[in-house]
Amino acid sequence: SQQGEEDPQALSIQEGENATMNCSYKTSINNLQWYRQNSGRGLVHLILIRSNEREKHSGRLRVTLDTSKKSSSLLITASRAADTASYFCATDAGANNLFFGTGTRLTVIP
Amino acid sequence: EPEVTQTPSHQVTQMGQEVILRCVPISNHLYFYWYRQILGQKVEFLVSFYNNEISEKSEIFDDQFSVERPDGSNFTLKIRSTKLEDSAMYFCASRRQGVHEQYFGPGTRLTVT
Repeated sequence: SQQGEEDPQALSIQEGENATMNCSYKTSINNLQWYRQNSGRGLVHLILIRSNEREKHSGRLRVTLDTSKKSSSLLITASRAADTASYFCATDAGANNLFFGTGTRLTVIP
Repeated sequence: EPEVTQTPSHQVTQMGQEVILRCVPISNHLYFYWYRQILGQKVEFLVSFYNNEISEKSEIFDDQFSVERPDGSNFTLKIRSTKLEDSAMYFCASRRQGVHEQYFGPGTRLTVT
């Protein structure tokens, strides 16, 4: 399998707090992407970080990538109840086929 | 905003029956994908499709599976003889040339009884 694990499996925080999710992978990558999935729905692309980048920001999202450790983290700042969802990292080894992690279920309590 | 659509949203079928899951990718996208997600598990890559042929397929995508782009808009996944373990959510995705971001449809929940 090209993909490893994400942790935590579940995370529950108060609105306004920051949420950090981690992802590990096993093989060399071209890029790593984070997706969000609301219950029973499709996946929505959040942010992409290339293998030669170390950090990327998009609005309240901050992604880091450490290729030496084969790991990435997603930080959501100032969380909102609407951020409640499952978050998945997905690796792309260059063929543009995505390999997903197990996901983190985030609950933001109003 | 254009989006990927999938039909049906839920399909119930008996073991051994053939099913066809349908997807309409975003119109200017050239690359198409199928993924599946068994309940409570990770999303798994099945197959990618470009220029009217399969680009890559995973170990899951065996001889029971096939994909087709029968016209300029639809992209279908066929399972010839369904098994209980084929029960899952099936997602179609598409992307533009030169862009890595994939756009996913809402999925079809397949239940094999």
